[in-house]
Amino acid sequence: KAGVTQTPRYLIKTRGQQVTLSCSPISGHRSVSWYQQTPGQGLQFLFEYFSETQRNKGNFPGRFSGRQFSNSRSEMNVSTLELGDSALYLCASSLGSAGSYEQYFGPGTRLTVT
Amino acid sequence: GESVGLHLPTLSVQEGDNSIINCAYSNSASDYFIWYKQESGKGPQFIIDIRSNMDKRQGQRVTVLLNKTVKHLSLQIAATQPGDSAVYFCAETLGYQKVTFGTGTKLQVIP
Repeated sequence: KAGVTQTPRYLIKTRGQQVTLSCSPISGHRSVSWYQQTPGQGLQFLFEYFSETQRNKGNFPGRFSGRQFSNSRSEMNVSTLELGDSALYLCASSLGSAGSYEQYFGPGTRLTVT
Repeated sequence: GESVGLHLPTLSVQEGDNSIINCAYSNSASDYFIWYKQESGKGPQFIIDIRSNMDKRQGQRVTVLLNKTVKHLSLQIAATQPGDSAVYFCAETLGYQKVTFGTGTKLQVIP
């Protein structure tokens, strides 16, 4: 079974631009969660989507948004990029049903904002 | 490589010895806990989990202990190997609410 894939793996953007990151979950997984990882803040939860609906949300500004498609693939968008948005963005997929909390992570997208 | 390991507490262990990595979690209502391993350049990888109605769970070479009284979680790795070198994170969640990760511990295995 193929693992979680994320594209692109690396991205360089300038301040003020916007960016869209993509995540393809493991086949059969309906939940996709997004995380931001930085050396200073560690791993922080952004949001979780289940069956095309945002089910949980972390404490990030509205510049961070996401969506999920009917095939469970998910995209994350960051608008008006700031230098502090430079981070590794990870997505994780899981079955999403009660009692099935095990998450499988992708390799991440390394975003650098200059 | 990934700079995940910067500014993290580091545990150095001799190859073959046992390792114990500790974690203090924040929410006394959390009902599910997970340990992840993250190697340089990769996403976190599930190691073992435990539900709040248990105090111990064993896997292959790993054991997780949960002490709800003091909100403490530990991961024990038996016969530590060089391939165990990585950053280890604990995580907690309530129901299927957002998962909160700990700050991480870097494990260095000395050959």
